[in-house]
Amino acid sequence: DAKTTQPNSMESNEEEPVHLPCNHSTISGTDYIHWYRQLPSQGPEYVIHGLTSNVNNRMASLAIAEDRKSSTLILHRATLRDAAVYYCILRGGTGNQFYFGTGTSLTVIP
Amino acid sequence: KAGVTQTPRYLIKTRGQQVTLSCSPISGHRSVSWYQQTPGQGLQFLFEYFSETQRNKGNFPGRFSGRQFSNSRSEMNVSTLELGDSALYLCASSLGGTSYNEQFFGPGTRLTVL
Repeated sequence: DAKTTQPNSMESNEEEPVHLPCNHSTISGTDYIHWYRQLPSQGPEYVIHGLTSNVNNRMASLAIAEDRKSSTLILHRATLRDAAVYYCILRGGTGNQFYFGTGTSLTVIP
Repeated sequence: KAGVTQTPRYLIKTRGQQVTLSCSPISGHRSVSWYQQTPGQGLQFLFEYFSETQRNKGNFPGRFSGRQFSNSRSEMNVSTLELGDSALYLCASSLGGTSYNEQFFGPGTRLTVL
């Protein structure tokens, strides 16, 4: 599976939008882009995923570049409960496993 | 619907011993994956089982093994424990384990090797 590159950490003010970037320049045509987050002392939880088109759900939006070599997770209004490590993951190909990488640690400032 | 459950939640073992961890997936889910999480290495994929067959395997030594039963419950075994095996072991289930299926994680088993 292709790997992803994310900033180690980001900060956001509470109730402001947050844009978490992810680069995946070696993505293949069959790789799905998944985002998970891990709150302190918990297992990761699913946030959103997509293939080519932008996606929205109740938690977030996923914006995928036209060439699919990068994507952005958008939290529309950050809350203190959104403070977590966010992982951008590609899944597909023959291995079909998740490679989590180091993720982005998001700090939300009240 | 009940979530993914893992037992035990905490475990203390000594070097050289072996350990078995258990994971019960969400009802109806046929894919179970195992991960190891440590501060130094982050989240690393161990293996995935689907319908009692190991479908994918990460880069871990043969001391790490697993199996899946007909009811999709899975166990993970680590033999000849080493200090470096101290970690949070996470289990995740998904409906079919395909590229687009989301994974649901359990709370993990915290293993400490002394």
